[in-house]
Amino acid sequence: EEQLLASGGTFVQPGGSLRLSCAASGFTFRIYALSWVRQAPGEGLEWVSSISGSGDNTYYADSVKGRFTISRDNSKNTLYLQMNSLRAEDTAVYYCVKHEGFRGNSHFEYWGQGTLVTVSS
Amino acid sequence: QSVLTQPPSASGTPGQRVTISCSGSSSNIGINYVHWYQELPGTAPKLLIYANNERPSGVPDRFSGSKSGTSVFLAISGLRSEDEADYYCAAWDDSLSGWVFGGGTKLTVL
Repeated sequence: EEQLLASGGTFVQPGGSLRLSCAASGFTFRIYALSWVRQAPGEGLEWVSSISGSGDNTYYADSVKGRFTISRDNSKNTLYLQMNSLRAEDTAVYYCVKHEGFRGNSHFEYWGQGTLVTVSS
Repeated sequence: QSVLTQPPSASGTPGQRVTISCSGSSSNIGINYVHWYQELPGTAPKLLIYANNERPSGVPDRFSGSKSGTSVFLAISGLRSEDEADYYCAAWDDSLSGWVFGGGTKLTVL
């Protein structure tokens, strides 16, 4: 059974940094692209970043470009999101999402449970 | 302001057919597949329709998708109370080199 367990969400002050992790199991991790998608309280879904199966190709939403870095460790079956210069508008539940295929433009196939990031002073 | 446009709400009575629209542009829906996600209250989103009109295994055939130009439509027939959820469309955008979502449609079963 596929599983994606996101962790690392917590309360952080504006300007601070945080690293989210997503531990995967139940599928061949290295052949699937992965993404982070977030949802602010009471709001809709917003794509944040994607990474190809190999990790060679990464993509970012304009709202996080230059502040967030997506990466993966295929030897540990783990996805990461390094978040720097955090802002109040980054407050959201962050979902770890498995794609249908190797490339970042294949559709989101399976969503894990999210982890809540709260940015506030 | 979402790149893809959905009505914020829709409603129907049990047994009815409801349609939710999603409109975009030539850089996303016009040239790429569109996918639909269902978000039940308190749960993570789930894939409902992929590649415009394909259903993953386990999704009832009451759910169907269609596409016309730069708009797509999600139809739910034989509406049931458990269909009450938020529905989102999503597509890859070639101009942005990233994914775009609709703002979501809250479906209420009266």
